[in-house]
Amino acid sequence: DAKTTQPPSMDCAEGRAANLPCNHSTISGNEYVYWYRQIHSQGPQYIIHGLKNNETNEMASLIITEDRKSSTLILPHATLRDTAVYYCIVAIQGAQKLVFGQGTRLTINP
Amino acid sequence: SQTIHQWPATLVQPVGSPLSLECTVEGTSNPNLYWYRQAAGRGLQLLFYSVGIGQISSEVPQNLSASRPQDRQFILSSKKLLLSDSGFYLCAWNQGGSGELFFGEGSRLTVL
Repeated sequence: DAKTTQPPSMDCAEGRAANLPCNHSTISGNEYVYWYRQIHSQGPQYIIHGLKNNETNEMASLIITEDRKSSTLILPHATLRDTAVYYCIVAIQGAQKLVFGQGTRLTINP
Repeated sequence: SQTIHQWPATLVQPVGSPLSLECTVEGTSNPNLYWYRQAAGRGLQLLFYSVGIGQISSEVPQNLSASRPQDRQFILSSKKLLLSDSGFYLCAWNQGGSGELFFGEGSRLTVL
């Protein structure tokens, strides 16, 4: 079973920041938080991951709370192409398998 | 650069017929390989993973089997398909020690 809880769906206006929450209250000290997204009829795409520090790359920012029990993926300027299902996953680095939950269906509205 | 390919992209099969989906990875060696399935409107379910040639771990009991005859080849099979086998099948790979999975284009199977 997935170790994370995400809202099933969210909406965001184009050009605004999309903030996707994830709860992982049972995360252990050596587990990372990974984010993937899946555009319709395609394979999932890796976005970002982190352990305890906030991370940023060209796609998104990841904010992890100090107690590491929750995190937020931020898409700073959402576009229509960001409409997808976003998955939050916790796993140790080097885990042999990643378990995907139901994710959050993010819809970007014009 | 590394690439992953799986085929066929789509197929329609009758109940009781066999199945073979193939996945190959190029540009890397000794990858971990995975088969996921996504039923319509559902999340991703891990079916099998492999950390080396001939080493297969099954996550859920089912009508399917997997094999890894070569380092960068992963095959998903069934002797007799069921209606419930319909779905979107995804092959993926990563290197041991990395949580970044790379997925193939997917194979959409419809069993009638």
